[in-house]
Amino acid sequence: QKEVEQDPGPLSVPEGAIVSLNCTYSNSAFQYFMWYRQYSRKGPELLMYTYSSGNKEDGRFTAQVDKSSKYISLFIRDSQPSDSATYLCAMSGRGSTLGRLYFGRGTQLTVWP
Amino acid sequence: EPEVTQTPSHQVTQMGQEVILRCVPISNHLYFYWYRQILGQKVEFLVSFYNNEISEKSEIFDDQFSVERPDGSNFTLKIRSTKLEDSAMYFCASSTTGGYGYTFGSGTRLTVV
Repeated sequence: QKEVEQDPGPLSVPEGAIVSLNCTYSNSAFQYFMWYRQYSRKGPELLMYTYSSGNKEDGRFTAQVDKSSKYISLFIRDSQPSDSATYLCAMSGRGSTLGRLYFGRGTQLTVWP
Repeated sequence: EPEVTQTPSHQVTQMGQEVILRCVPISNHLYFYWYRQILGQKVEFLVSFYNNEISEKSEIFDDQFSVERPDGSNFTLKIRSTKLEDSAMYFCASSTTGGYGYTFGSGTRLTVV
């Protein structure tokens, strides 16, 4: 089922670079858009969530949602080696599917010093 | 910071055996979930639980699976007769809101041999 598509990478950038991570989706019922970070053999850790369209900024991280294009992005400024992880986008809708998250495959990011 | 705790971290079982995966959600959370991640694949929703009953389950969550909240703190996933294809990381999660803002545990790696 291809509800959420995400390029798995891997993506390798030098320290200090701006990183852009993206997902597309097909279900127009999605209302909540999240980015999770996952280290090897650990559970996903919530980075940011956005309701509906628009931008949200938190420190070096900016999340963008374009519902008209069904496209979401996560930007990481001044990337650090500690940002090296797999980044998962996730989405949820309304009504009976409110609690269920649909994940992308995840993009593996390496930031080298 | 409050955590979702999962035990055991790794379980090896023989095909056909029953397994119980255990989780202690965050104490003031009301919504509880199980997800799984087969190696190299997406994180997939199994089931959500609210107000002491299942609120939604996926097509993966067939009659071999069951969930229980036996007391005020534990949340369990039982697989009655394990198959090789049940081998995966199983993540428990909880939230206050339902729909976003989950906190995931570190997972139980289930290996069926």
